[in-house]
Amino acid sequence: QSVLTQPPSASGTPGQRVTISCSGSSSNIGSKAVNWYQQLPGTAPKLLIYSNDQRPSGVPDRFSGSKSGTSASLAISGLQSEDEADYYCATWDDSLNAWVFGGGTKLTVL
Amino acid sequence: QITLKETGPTLVKPTQTLTLTCTFSGFSLNTGGGGVGWIRQPPGQALEWLALIYWDDQRYSPSLKSRLTITKDTSRNQVILTMTNMDPVDTATYYCAHIGGYYPLERFDYWGQGTLVTVSS
Repeated sequence: QSVLTQPPSASGTPGQRVTISCSGSSSNIGSKAVNWYQQLPGTAPKLLIYSNDQRPSGVPDRFSGSKSGTSASLAISGLQSEDEADYYCATWDDSLNAWVFGGGTKLTVL
Repeated sequence: QITLKETGPTLVKPTQTLTLTCTFSGFSLNTGGGGVGWIRQPPGQALEWLALIYWDDQRYSPSLKSRLTITKDTSRNQVILTMTNMDPVDTATYYCAHIGGYYPLERFDYWGQGTLVTVSS
């Protein structure tokens, strides 16, 4: 059972906008910045969003992040087939003194 | 350009100790150079943070702390993770990653390719 809760799956058709949620608590998301990772099949995770809503260089602006209270969200607009991947949220937890990850969301592009 | 690569055994026996090495380039583990973390992923499962090291600090996953040791060799640009008393449930791909940013905005911004470790007799 992960400290951060994500839906196990999400789906959308090309061009659609999809959102993936990440729910935590006051000791993690409520007080710390959230990062998002994209893991394409058979590859290492890649940083997609950091500090809640910042995109690293090279990440398309179709990807955006937000945070409110103890929850965070990743939005993908203009969905493309190459976006089919697993997505993970992560942050530091002050109570556990540990980095914590969500359980991951498998995104399917129909 | 930051790169990291994990090396170590692909197969270990139960009860043995696993030693993994992360060899990196493009940064230095000195003051202000960031840090290195280890994260693992069992087949078909989620990511799990194990440990991290900075120039002057180390942190461990509370659930695995008694089995883990993380050290650094700054002259060789390497970080070494040892995990004792390996069990089949420790079968996973082990990643090392650079920790970028400054408190409280750190993130794992560059990852190695990962190395699959299987625990079996």
